[in-house]
Amino acid sequence: DTEVTQTPKHLVMGMTNKKSLKCEQHMGHRAMYWYKQKAKKPPELMFVYSYEKLSINESVPSRFSPECPNSSLLNLHLHALQPEDSALYLCATAIGTGSLDTQYFGPGTRLTVL
Amino acid sequence: AQSVTQPDIHITVSEGASLELRCNYSYGATPYLFWYVQSPGQGLQLLLKYFSGDTLVQGIKGFEAEFKRSQSSFNLRKPSVHWSDAAEYFCAAPLGGYNKLIFGAGTRLAVHP
Repeated sequence: DTEVTQTPKHLVMGMTNKKSLKCEQHMGHRAMYWYKQKAKKPPELMFVYSYEKLSINESVPSRFSPECPNSSLLNLHLHALQPEDSALYLCATAIGTGSLDTQYFGPGTRLTVL
Repeated sequence: AQSVTQPDIHITVSEGASLELRCNYSYGATPYLFWYVQSPGQGLQLLLKYFSGDTLVQGIKGFEAEFKRSQSSFNLRKPSVHWSDAAEYFCAAPLGGYNKLIFGAGTRLAVHP
């Protein structure tokens, strides 16, 4: 089973709202990733967690706050977002963070900021 | 700089025709290379990957890719395209620490009936 689930599928929020995106996997993977994908563009890495610890933050604005409460769950907390943050947010997981470790992607959350 | 390039932004083929999507890499050592497919509004699905060994790699859905070091390429092929293959295709490589994936710009495939 290589399933990564993401909720919600769609999210519409105002610039003053606080919301969270959720990613879950039960494959025993210890590396978890958040990517942002704008329309007609490739995914761009935002954060990497390895063994529940934040390993990479690609200079993401503080209005995006990741959290990894346990080895199966990855959250992305959103606060005071801007309309340009509207995008598809993808979660990916891998056994580890080695270059041979294939990343498996979830279906994404389509975020619209009004 | 290390990079992955997909020269073709958009390709249209007829159903049943053969397909080749191009991917070039710029990397000193032998790279690890992946092809992912993304249907509209969906996540990315792994088609195949190359790590080492046999340069012709078989993947899911009838796709294959060939690694050619002399041409710095990893082109994706399919002998007969189906309408359901219409999607965005990304070539990618882990070119940073912590398995940071770098993607090509993507190739959008349209399939005519």
